[in-house]
Amino acid sequence: KQEVTQIPAALSVPEGENLVLNCSFTDSAIYNLQWFRQDPGKGLTSLLLIQSSQREQTSGRLNASLDKSSGRSTLYIAASQPGDSATYLCAVRAGNTGKLIFGQGTTLQVKP
Amino acid sequence: NAGVTQTPKFQVLKTGQSMTLQCAQDMNHEYMSWYRQDPGMGLRLIHYSVGAGITDQGEVPNGYNVSRSTTEDFPLRLLSAAPSQTSVYFCASSYRLTANTEAFFGQGTRLTVV
Repeated sequence: KQEVTQIPAALSVPEGENLVLNCSFTDSAIYNLQWFRQDPGKGLTSLLLIQSSQREQTSGRLNASLDKSSGRSTLYIAASQPGDSATYLCAVRAGNTGKLIFGQGTTLQVKP
Repeated sequence: NAGVTQTPKFQVLKTGQSMTLQCAQDMNHEYMSWYRQDPGMGLRLIHYSVGAGITDQGEVPNGYNVSRSTTEDFPLRLLSAAPSQTSVYFCASSYRLTANTEAFFGQGTRLTVV
């Protein structure tokens, strides 16, 4: 059974720091991995999608990597800002139902 | 481009009442799904649809019905609301089940059953 784990559960950093969020999954048979951002009381906003054949994707200050063989993905946020404060979720798509299997998320606080 | 639109945003129901959560997308996506998000449980798949007229169960389907009469709409019906169905419900869509494409989520419906 596929399981997705995100560590740490919470992270607090000063503004301007570069940081890495981690996501691990137990079964390497995935179609893709997607990173989302969720603000309190809001929906999920897609940040980056990495196909199973790709190693990384970049969007602005965000860079996501994927290592299927080790079952790991990282989300790198450069020069963090208070506006980056949110919960970050990773999800893998596997199986034939299209189901996304989510981690529990990392709640990030960037202090001014 | 509205993306995925859910209504209502908030709802309070009494135990035993029924209601329909609405979901619509304007991206011509074939694949649509419903998730519920609960503290400590994460997001869990309730039902999904791979196209108009085709639906199937996810991992927590009990107490919910769905139908898909058009490509755009995928409503979720609570047949007889129970306190255990208090949750935040998200509708999501992506281009096609077999395509390796991005999932887009709505803003959620926060449901409280008293």
